[in-house]
Amino acid sequence: DTAVSQTPKYLVTQMGNDKSIKCEQNLGHDTMYWYKQDSKKFLKIMFSYNNKELIINETVPNRFSPKSPDKAHLNLHINSLELGDSAVYFCASSQDLRGHYEQYFGPGTRLTVT
Amino acid sequence: AQSVTQLDSQVPVFEEAPVELRCNYSSSVSVYLFWYVQYPNQGLQLLLKYLSGSTLVKGINGFEAEFNKSQTSFHLRKPSVHISDTAEYFCAVRSQGGSYIPTFGRGTSLIVHP
Repeated sequence: DTAVSQTPKYLVTQMGNDKSIKCEQNLGHDTMYWYKQDSKKFLKIMFSYNNKELIINETVPNRFSPKSPDKAHLNLHINSLELGDSAVYFCASSQDLRGHYEQYFGPGTRLTVT
Repeated sequence: AQSVTQLDSQVPVFEEAPVELRCNYSSSVSVYLFWYVQYPNQGLQLLLKYLSGSTLVKGINGFEAEFNKSQTSFHLRKPSVHISDTAEYFCAVRSQGGSYIPTFGRGTSLIVHP
């Protein structure tokens, strides 16, 4: 009965490869997010979708491309992986995009680029 | 623009002692305030939030926080901590209008010693 799930939990890959992380929420929420958490635990928002529409696109290299096939799913595709992409990536969702709603986070995907 | 400062990167404390984790924010507009907790190898979960009304907010696991508008602070407190409270704590703000972009502090690592 996981509210926000991500796959895979761990991802180890080599520089230059392309990889995807999938996220699904069963809460009926309209808004979903991707965050990157670095080794010092700093959490930075990357993207947000509301009803499949991109609403937040922070300064992220264009090697990162989010895709939302429907409002319950938000996937993250990363091209030409670099060492600096190593981090934990969290998916989250909220009722809608308004600020008073809290976010529900997935368990994270630990990406290691070698 | 908005920012969140968590003044302590690490707070060590003995079990059953009280604790306060400090959070200050800066914003040109009114904001909503949140505290999240991240246990090791897990995603973030909401502890409590301040939207309006009473400035003292109670959350889960015996935590509470007080909103101080004049000092732009939202400090988190617990009168008696347990070993199980060892975790990373994040303060976050979201604007009440405009882009609704969530901004997180850099986190405070609470370490509870027996």
